[in-house]
Parts: sequence; C-alpha cells; structure tokens
Amino acid sequence: KNQVEQSPQSLIILEGKNCTLQCNYTVSPFSNLRWYKQDTGRGPVSLTIMTFSENTKSNGRYTATLDADTKQSSLHITASQLSDSASYICVVIPFTGNQFYFGTGTSLTVIP
Amino acid sequence: ETGVTQTPRHLVMGMTNKKSLKCEQHLGHNAMYWYKQSAKKPLELMFVYSLEERVENNSVPSRFSPECPNSSHLFLHLHTLQPEDSALYLCASSLGLAGGGPGGEQFFGPGTRLTVL
Repeated sequence: KNQVEQSPQSLIILEGKNCTLQCNYTVSPFSNLRWYKQDTGRGPVSLTIMTFSENTKSNGRYTATLDADTKQSSLHITASQLSDSASYICVVIPFTGNQFYFGTGTSLTVIP
Repeated sequence: ETGVTQTPRHLVMGMTNKKSLKCEQHLGHNAMYWYKQSAKKPLELMFVYSLEERVENNSVPSRFSPECPNSSHLFLHLHTLQPEDSALYLCASSLGLAGGGPGGEQFFGPGTRLTVL
C-alpha cells in the first residue's frame, strides 16, 4: 500500500475558481513534505517545502497546509489560471535514508 | 529551465538494443538521482549518487546500469530492456542528499520518454 495517497485523482475547474488538493500520508516520522507541479512532458518543479513543524507555506497563489496530527496536507490554489493545468504531486521525506514517498498525483485541468 | 538537462528527450528501442540516457546539471550540486515514472504510478527512485558515489540502489534490475563520472553528469545505460520498462525517466539533482531537509531540494530535468518495442 502506498504510504502517500492523493485525492482527487483528477479535477476539472473553471478559470478563476479556487481548488484544494489533498494528500494523506502514513510516513512517520518525517523530515519534510513537498508539493511539486508537473506540466505535461516536463519534470516536476517544486512549489512548497514544509518541515514537520510548519503548518502552512505559501508560494504566490499556492498555499500548502500541514496537519501532522492527522497526517494530512493540502494544496490550495487561488484564482486558478489556464497555466495551472498540470499534475500536482505530494512527496514525504523521512528523516533517515534516501527513500522518498511519492503520491500518484492529482491531474488538474483548468478550462476557460 | 531548472538547470538540469536530459538527452535524448524521446527514445524508441528494441529489446535487444543498447542505449544510454544522459543527464547534466549546471547547478553545482553534489547529489544526482534517476527516477522512473510510469502512468498512474508514483515516481520510483532508482539510483542515488552523492559526490559520484552510489548511495542507493532500489532493487533495480541489472539491465539498468548507472554511471556517474563526475558530479555534473549522470548516465543510465540500458540493455535488453522489456516492454514494461517503457516510461518517463527523470533525472534530478540537489545540493545535498534530499533527505536532509529543505537544503536537499531536488531540481528535475525534463525527462526522457522511453518506449521499448
């Protein structure tokens, strides 16, 4: 069973609307949790990095939250743009070792 | 651009061919990684190099052979692949090993789309 589960698997929203993507994980303890954006045909690009002690981190219209008690993270996108259409991947990094735990991603499509 | 380049971007090969994927980073990083990305699956870490020494090999079949001649270059040599090896192969680099907190932020290349016939 994957230790990082993302939902929904795919999402379609209208341009200008907000949306929230979810990430539930079982990796414990962990050093940091990251959200990546991956455009079609490109490699992932880092959006936010949160240590286990942080609750929220923003990057422009992207805001990530972390609840270490419930082992949940969310990525909120405000005022979506067509260029936000991509796959969003949640990654949990444990304290030790080089095994990173990736979610399968949420595919977001923003339509005009 | 992320400062990590990969060539070729697309590769089609038969099961008996031998080919190599190349990755180069221009960021002065010390760690480099190979990942496999298949449809509907999480990224799979294949190999990790730190200061040109392999530090992780996640039970990858021997038909995949990595090489790191220096801290800026990483190769993945392919031979006698199977159709199920068709995937996007991503290279990444980081200043330190990625388990070390935000200082280990990874920068990914655009990937090589590999198709094995």
